[in-house]
This record gives sequence, structure tokens and C-alpha cells, in this order.
Amino acid sequence: DTGVSQDPRHKITKRGQNVTFRCDPISEHNRLYWYRQTLGQGPEFLTYFQNEAQLEKSRLLSDRFSAERPKGSFSTLEIQRTEQGDSAMYLCASSLAGSPAGLGNEQFFGPGTRLTVL
Amino acid sequence: AQSVTQLGSHVSVSEGALVLLRCNYSSSVPPYLFWYVQYPNQGLQLLLKYTSAATLVKGINGFEAEFKKSETSFHLTKPSAHMSDAAEYFCAVSRGFGNEKLTFGTGTRLTIIP
Repeated sequence: DTGVSQDPRHKITKRGQNVTFRCDPISEHNRLYWYRQTLGQGPEFLTYFQNEAQLEKSRLLSDRFSAERPKGSFSTLEIQRTEQGDSAMYLCASSLAGSPAGLGNEQFFGPGTRLTVL
Repeated sequence: AQSVTQLGSHVSVSEGALVLLRCNYSSSVPPYLFWYVQYPNQGLQLLLKYTSAATLVKGINGFEAEFKKSETSFHLTKPSAHMSDAAEYFCAVSRGFGNEKLTFGTGTRLTIIP
């Protein structure tokens, strides 16, 4: 039984560098979400996909951020020209939309990728 | 817009005592409400959810929560705390069906005193 996986678990980078994170959802799940969690705060929504379509993006997702889910399976989140304010835990979650009532409505979270920008 | 407010960023209880973590919500539509738990360096795990069925919801690890529309509350309780309950707890709300984006509270860190 495999849950949501994220890679890498930790990333340290220098300001101005680009970074890319990967998320592999639970295999039958068609929805995939990205959240960002800073120290002492709850996760904040960034974006989500249904299959390969990106359905919603938060205003938090500046033009330096881009997310893709090219084949409706795994997803990548890229941050260009990183800034120290991008340091956070990036969480991925997946769910199964359209399942019978009471089943599969919840989002299952991965362990997160902790980004540190020096 | 939807939001949740968690009262108390830190709560300490003695082992065996009642656990009460407070959450109040604001929503323009009937909300779907969730409690998640996060252990150090791990992702979030769902404890329980309210999706407009029974107002008293039972979850995993002995936790339960009651949806009170008149008070716009969804407080989390457990009759007897265990050392393994020490973690960060997040209340969250979504617009419906549980498949849309979650809006989280700022979290409550629960400490269990031996």
C-alpha cells in the first residue's frame, strides 16, 4: 500500500537558483494538490489539478512558481529564482473526485519537501 | 471566503485527562470540516471529517468532534489523553464534497504531561 510520495525530502539551495519538486500521488487518485507550510502556520493552498488540467491557482503562486501534471499522474512544482521567503515545507496531497459519498473525499498528504533558501 | 480559527496555539493536558481543541469556522456555504494531525517531520493525517451527515463525528485514535452550526464550531475532543497524542493539530474547511481546496487554521500544538 503506497501513499503519496514526494522527492526530495529536503532541499537546500542558494538564492536565485531554480528548484523542482516531484509528487507521486496515490495511483488511482485523479486530483492532486500543492500546499505550502511555513513555520508555525497551517498549510496554504497553492494549486490543484484534476487529471492533467490545472483547475485553480492561488494568488500566492507568483509567476516564479509553475506546476505541471503532464500525464495526469505525477506532478512537478518548480520555483525559479528562489528567494529566502520561499523557504517552507511544500506539501502534496491527492484525492479521488467523483467517488461515492463518504469515500475518497479526503485528501491524503505526502511527507513534504522542506526547502531552505540561503 | 472560508476560514477557520483555532483558539490556543498550545494546549497542555495531563495523561488520562480530557483533550479539547477548539475550532471555529466561517463559511458562506454549508462547510465541509476536517481535523488533521501532524507529527514532527511528517505529512498530515486525517483524524475525522464532517460532510453534512451526522453532527457528531468519530475519528481515529479515539478522537471525535461535534459540528454546532449555531456556534459555528467544530471542536475536537478525546476523553483520555495518551502520550502518543502529542502532535500538531489542524482544523480545515472546504466548500464542499471535500475535494476542493482546504483552508487550514494556524494549528494547535498538543503537549501531554506524564
